[in-house]
Amino acid sequence: EAGVAQSPRYKIIEKRQSVAFWCNPISGHATLYWYQQILGQGPKLLIQFQNNGVVDDSQLPKDRFSAERLKGVDSTLKIQPAKLEDSAVYLCASRPDRGTGSGYTFGSGTRLTVV
Amino acid sequence: SQQGEEDPQALSIQEGENATMNCSYKTSINNLQWYRQNSGRGLVHLILIRSNEREKHSGRLRVTLDTSKKSSSLLITASRAADTASYFCATGTDNYGQNFVFGPGTRLSVLP
Repeated sequence: EAGVAQSPRYKIIEKRQSVAFWCNPISGHATLYWYQQILGQGPKLLIQFQNNGVVDDSQLPKDRFSAERLKGVDSTLKIQPAKLEDSAVYLCASRPDRGTGSGYTFGSGTRLTVV
Repeated sequence: SQQGEEDPQALSIQEGENATMNCSYKTSINNLQWYRQNSGRGLVHLILIRSNEREKHSGRLRVTLDTSKKSSSLLITASRAADTASYFCATGTDNYGQNFVFGPGTRLSVLP
């Protein structure tokens, strides 16, 4: 089965610019997550979708971050405007709906550098 | 917080030796997972252990869970240079759609 696809792989932008990341989860996986991983730290959840509905966005900085998952498949994460501290790897993950406690499948991530 | 905390933060061993990493957490969990992350890559799911299980094996990996001590360990036997990576534990409180909370990870270096 194909894995979780993310693009772009790398992105360098200036602060106050906007950026968008794209994720295509594994076919049939209802649950999709976006994580932010700052260098040297573990991934931190930004938002969780179940199909096209938001389950948890309590840690999403909503003044600058937004995410959507149209038709319950692909998802985009946007930052506008970016700050220096947003430099991180943005990971997308998916898992089956109501799985038996199965693990996540992660994409390779998008490495964002804000200068 | 249900976040796991790995220990040690960094570990360096020779090829062929065993590597043991520990994870401690604070609240009751339904399951605990271990992930590996190679530099610049996404995380790879290694193994999941449920709260009613005490030990699981997968190839050269052995995971234990002690719910009374709120801790888990990951043992990699006969390590190889390719095992060099960061290892994360993630705790979950239910089977259904619950997001998992990751610890800061253990950076393992296996020297040839």
